Amino acid sequence: IAGITQAPTSQILAAGRRMTLRCTQDMRHNAMYWYRQDLGLGLRLIHYSNTAGTTGKGEVPDGYSVSRANTDDFPLTLASAVPSQTSVYFCASSDSGGGPDTQYFGPGTRLTVL
Amino acid sequence: GQNIDQPTEMTATEGAIVQINCTYQTSGFNGLFWYQQHAGEAPTFLSYNVLDGLEEKGRFSSFLSRSKGYSYLLLKELQMKDSASYLCAVRDRDYKLSFGAGTTVTVRA
Repeated sequence: IAGITQAPTSQILAAGRRMTLRCTQDMRHNAMYWYRQDLGLGLRLIHYSNTAGTTGKGEVPDGYSVSRANTDDFPLTLASAVPSQTSVYFCASSDSGGGPDTQYFGPGTRLTVL
Repeated sequence: GQNIDQPTEMTATEGAIVQINCTYQTSGFNGLFWYQQHAGEAPTFLSYNVLDGLEEKGRFSSFLSRSKGYSYLLLKELQMKDSASYLCAVRDRDYKLSFGAGTTVTVRA
């Protein structure tokens, strides 16, 4: 069982380009999340999805979009990348069936926008 | 929303004990989590508190006081591999997590 996978591992992108970060989980978790992590700021929630077919905005959604066509996949798209979107992006998932509902994180994508 | 504070850095000696404090202000508390993150890696789950008191898991323990908006993570018998960042996260009633900036712990021989 792989858990959560993210692709690419790292990417250098020219400003203005469109980019999709991929996230796939094989744990059949209902909920999925995208975070960005910047030095000194910690993890900040970009978008989330409580179940397939629904999405919601987090703390820093501007410039990003997501879709949740099925349970396993939750891609994050930057329509027109800007240098301030240089960051490490983590995808996470949780089983919202009650209890701790612990979030499990993917390995991350390091994105540099020039 | 959440306002979460934890120290930026702590240093301790191998075999010692370190306590990482976390204070929070929240509009709807629904649990507190501690994660460990080694440099260049993903955060991994350490502990979860939703009721007041101490939760112990081996060398790691976590404490919560909801009335004081306060938690701590206690690391005992420190090992070199415990050098990492420790993230305090508060969950709201919509099951979303808000993270503190993290505490970098350096264990010295």
